[in-house]
Amino acid sequence: SQTIHQWPATLVQPVGSPLSLECTVEGTSNPNLYWYRQAAGRGLQLLFYSIGIDQISSEVPQNLSASRPQDRQFILSSKKLLLSDSGFYLCAWITGAGNTIYFGEGSWLTVV
Amino acid sequence: GENVEQHPSTLSVQEGDSAVIKCTYSDSASNYFPWYKQELGKGPQLIIDIRSNVGEKKDQRIAVTLNKTAKHFSLHITETQPEDSAVYFCAASFSSYKLIFGSGTRLLVRP
Repeated sequence: SQTIHQWPATLVQPVGSPLSLECTVEGTSNPNLYWYRQAAGRGLQLLFYSIGIDQISSEVPQNLSASRPQDRQFILSSKKLLLSDSGFYLCAWITGAGNTIYFGEGSWLTVV
Repeated sequence: GENVEQHPSTLSVQEGDSAVIKCTYSDSASNYFPWYKQELGKGPQLIIDIRSNVGEKKDQRIAVTLNKTAKHFSLHITETQPEDSAVYFCAASFSSYKLIFGSGTRLLVRP
């Protein structure tokens, strides 16, 4: 069966520090991968999606970047965090058939 | 542009009553409409979905209806229970790769 792993689960980082959130998918090949952000009490904002290795599409201009060095690995990064980067970050993937998106358990980022 | 609007933002019902959440979407080419339930501190979980070739779909106490002409779809939960309390998100596909979510509805089921 397919599973998605996302880490770290929680992170407290000072303003100006770097960020790296990692996501891996198991049990499938060539998935579409996504990063969403959810501010406290808000909806899900699509940040990046990837249809293949090194193929990244950015949905909103921001302080973050994404990379996909391997087929089932998706990384969210920042060189210098801002207070506004705080939120709940969710990695997700699409099954091979249809458009069903499955989410990881999320990473809580607090920038202080 | 690509947009999904969801109402209401909060909904409080008595246990046993029904709850209805409504969404509208902007792109008439959208063909896939899932609903997700998110419990506190967890990732959203798919609870039901519908495709554009179907007008209604039911799964026990949950049903979704789709009106393509009006570009809106709704989630219906009957005989609500306290464990139904959560945040619910609708979404619509805007391409083969992209799913755009509504702003969420916080449902509270009062015992």
